[in-house]
Amino acid sequence: GESVGLHLPTLSVQEGDNSIINCAYSNSASDYFIWYKQESGKGPQFIIDIRSNMDKRQGQRVTVLLNKTVKHLSLQIAATQPGDSAVYFCAEIPPDYKLSFGAGTTVTVRA
Amino acid sequence: DVKVTQSSRYLVKRTGEKVFLECVQDMDHENMFWYRQDPGLGLRLIYFSYDVKMKEKGDIPEGYSVSREKKERFSLILESASTNQTSMYLCASSVIQGPEAFFGQGTRLTVV
Repeated sequence: GESVGLHLPTLSVQEGDNSIINCAYSNSASDYFIWYKQESGKGPQFIIDIRSNMDKRQGQRVTVLLNKTVKHLSLQIAATQPGDSAVYFCAEIPPDYKLSFGAGTTVTVRA
Repeated sequence: DVKVTQSSRYLVKRTGEKVFLECVQDMDHENMFWYRQDPGLGLRLIYFSYDVKMKEKGDIPEGYSVSREKKERFSLILESASTNQTSMYLCASSVIQGPEAFFGQGTRLTVV
């Protein structure tokens, strides 16, 4: 079946640097692509979404980029902080609304 | 403040037991989801419901069933618990066509 996946399982970042987390998806019919953050002991929390008719969306310190040509999604975090340490999941909403997740990337921020 | 509440944070059950995991949301959301989370596998969809009494199988429905008798409550049932169902279970809800899903805190189930 089709799935959403992440390129790297772990990412180590120096505090203050920018982080880039990548994701490859396969369902080109999906209408929404989303990033979630999961801190230890908690459920995932929505960060930002992008619709399939867009290629870039910015939030507070975060930017999501969508490249439909190569089916690639990325999350950029500016000036990474210790509180950004978490597992990040990309997800997609296909036409049947069954929200599907990738395997996740664990981001560790070094002081 | 939106809330999805799962009835238990931790559960220990014996092999063969029937197990009920309860989830309640207070946001009047149409969609509700049950996922299991295992290391390296991310979140895998077990079942999805888009309305009362409606359910759709996810990617891994075998060994599970669900019940949605009221809009705010979505129950996951393990008919006969097995050790390979030891996992973290997460419930979520969302509006019918909205991108943002709200998650509960999770239930860590151990089957011994």
